[in-house]
Amino acid sequence: EAQVTQNPRYLITVTGKKLTVTCSQNMNHEYMSWYRQDPGLGLRQIYYSMNVEVTDKGDVPEGYKVSRKEKRNFPLILESPSPNQTSLYFCASRPLTGREQYFGPGTRLTVT
Amino acid sequence: QQPVQSPQAVILREGEDAVINCSSSKALYSVHWYRQKHGEAPVFLMILLKGGEQKGHEKISASFNEKKQQSSLYLTASQLSYSGTYFCGTGVMDSNYQLIWGAGTKLIIKP
Repeated sequence: EAQVTQNPRYLITVTGKKLTVTCSQNMNHEYMSWYRQDPGLGLRQIYYSMNVEVTDKGDVPEGYKVSRKEKRNFPLILESPSPNQTSLYFCASRPLTGREQYFGPGTRLTVT
Repeated sequence: QQPVQSPQAVILREGEDAVINCSSSKALYSVHWYRQKHGEAPVFLMILLKGGEQKGHEKISASFNEKKQQSSLYLTASQLSYSGTYFCGTGVMDSNYQLIWGAGTKLIIKP
C-alpha cells in the first residue's frame, strides 16, 4: 500500500530534550516536506526537500533540522524543543513534477 | 503571505450548497484544495492552474480567477461525508515547489 508513515504518532517531552520524528514514504517520491498545523493558522511549511541531500527552509524553520540521506526518509529533528513547538506535525511527499501531496497520519507533539 | 479563506466556518443542512473562497495578494500559479477530517491527514481534492480552468470532482468543483488571484470551491448538494476543514494551498509564480496555505474553512453538515 502506497503510504507515508510517521513515528511516533504522539509524543510528550520536556523542554530541551532532543527528539526526532521519523517520516518514510514508499512511493519513490522526490519531494518531501514537513508542516506544522496550529489552530487558526492552517499548515505552515517547516522544511522541504526536492531530492536526496537537497533540503531548503520553508516558512517556519527556526528550531528545526532535517536531513535527507535516503530518498524514502526525511526525519525532523528538534535539538532543543521548547513549548512553542507544541503542535501537530505532518510529513508529506509527492513526485517532483506531481501535483497531489500525500500526507502522513500526523504526530502530535507536546513540549512541557 | 497567507491566502485568506472565507468563510471561516459554515454550517449546512444535508443537500444544501456551499462556496468556499481563497484569495491571495500574490500572483498565483496554482491553487490546491485539500479536505481534512477531524483527527486525520489532509486529503487532496483538486488542483487548478492559471487560466481560469474549472475542475470537477463528483459534486465538488472549483474555479480559478486569475485576475482576482482567487479560487472558489463549490460543494453541491452537500453530503454528511463532506464535513471537515477545507484548505487551499497556493503556488506562487516564482516557486512551484512551495505552497502557502490558508487557515482553513470548517464545514459542518447536519442531517
